This record gives sequence, structure tokens and C-alpha cells, in this order.
Amino acid sequence: GAVVSQHPSWVICKSGTSVKIECRSLDFQATTMFWYRQFPKQSLMLMATSNEGSKATYEQGVEKDKFLINHASLTLSTLTVTSAHPEDSSFYICSARDFRTSRETQYFGPGTRLLVL
Amino acid sequence: SQQGEEDPQALSIQEGENATMNCSYKTSINNLQWYRQNSGRGLVHLILIRSNEREKHSGRLRVTLDTSKKSSSLLITASRAADTASYFCATDAGGGSEKLVFGKGTKLTVNP
Repeated sequence: GAVVSQHPSWVICKSGTSVKIECRSLDFQATTMFWYRQFPKQSLMLMATSNEGSKATYEQGVEKDKFLINHASLTLSTLTVTSAHPEDSSFYICSARDFRTSRETQYFGPGTRLLVL
Repeated sequence: SQQGEEDPQALSIQEGENATMNCSYKTSINNLQWYRQNSGRGLVHLILIRSNEREKHSGRLRVTLDTSKKSSSLLITASRAADTASYFCATDAGGGSEKLVFGKGTKLTVNP
């Protein structure tokens, strides 16, 4: 089945620093990837849709200058949390669709836990 | 925007019992999907049901969809301790956006 990986799995950083999270589709190409954020005991909130070769589409209320998304290849999307602050601490999850098998099912990465001190 | 709402928020049962989780949504959909999340992990796709389908089975899972009531249910039969996880429904926002809107989830605990 389709496999999506994320790196790193967890990161601790100081307030004010930037953190880059990678999302890779390991055995398929993904023209579209999705970035979600999940607070403890809450649901997933879509942050943005990452489109290969073009600008990401951000959801309402998500600061595009704060959460930089780059989808430079068909297997890699990156989310950079710039000038991170403690309120950015969260669980970030990416997903991708494998159009070879389904246009509808999303395959999720294992998530990245970010703690900003 | 549409949003799935699961109930109950938490469910605790004994191994061998059946677990039923419900999901309601607000707008018309192309399909509804159920995902499972183990604590601190990513999501695993369980089953997808399209708007023109009423019931679907996959192993011990049974999903129903009532578009007139804008609701769906997930039934896990003969539950096992390994079924302990959070379960989310997600609706396809339609319109070609490919986005999924997730509900709040049901935390299921299956006691051995």
C-alpha cells in the first residue's frame, strides 16, 4: 500500500527558531499533499493543500508567512514553521493521495510532534 | 463549512462486545470516510462509503450512511483490545477540492 513518511518524528526547539518538517510519499508520486495540525485530544484541522510546482492553498486563518510550504517534487513537500512560538507546539500530520489506486483515500504520515520552548 | 461530529466522544467496552460510533455532517457530500488513529500516531484509512451507497462491510467493520439524515455509523464487531484507538469520520468537501473535513473523533477503549 501507499506509504507516507515524515521527518522528524519529533522536534524540540527554542522560541524564535524555524523548524522544517518533511513529508515524503515513498512508493508513489503525489501531485497534492495536505498538511494538518492536531492539538491534544482534538481533531485534525487542515492547514493547507500543497501543490507540486505551484503555490500552496492555505485554509482561512492560517498564516502563509508563518507556515511556509514547498512542494518541489512529486514525492516531497516541506512545511517550515517560521519564528516558532510556544503556541505553535502541536502535532503536524501530512497526507497524500495515490491516484494510482484511489482519488479519494488519503494516506497519512506518522506525524511530527513539535514542542517550542 | 461542513464538519463531521462524532458521538460518543468516548466509549469504553469489554473485549468481545460491539462498538458503535456515529457521525453527523452538515452539507452534501461525495463520500464519507472513517479513519483510525492510535495515540500519537498518524491516521489509517479504514473504509470509504460513497453518497450513493447505504452500507459497506470490511472484515469486522460495518459502515452505514444515511444521506437524508446526514449521518453515518461505524460498527466494530467482536472488539479486541487492539481496537483501542480514536476513530474519525471525514467528509469529502466536494467541488474538486480533494479536501477532507474531519470530525472530532470518538476515543474507543476496549478493555481486555
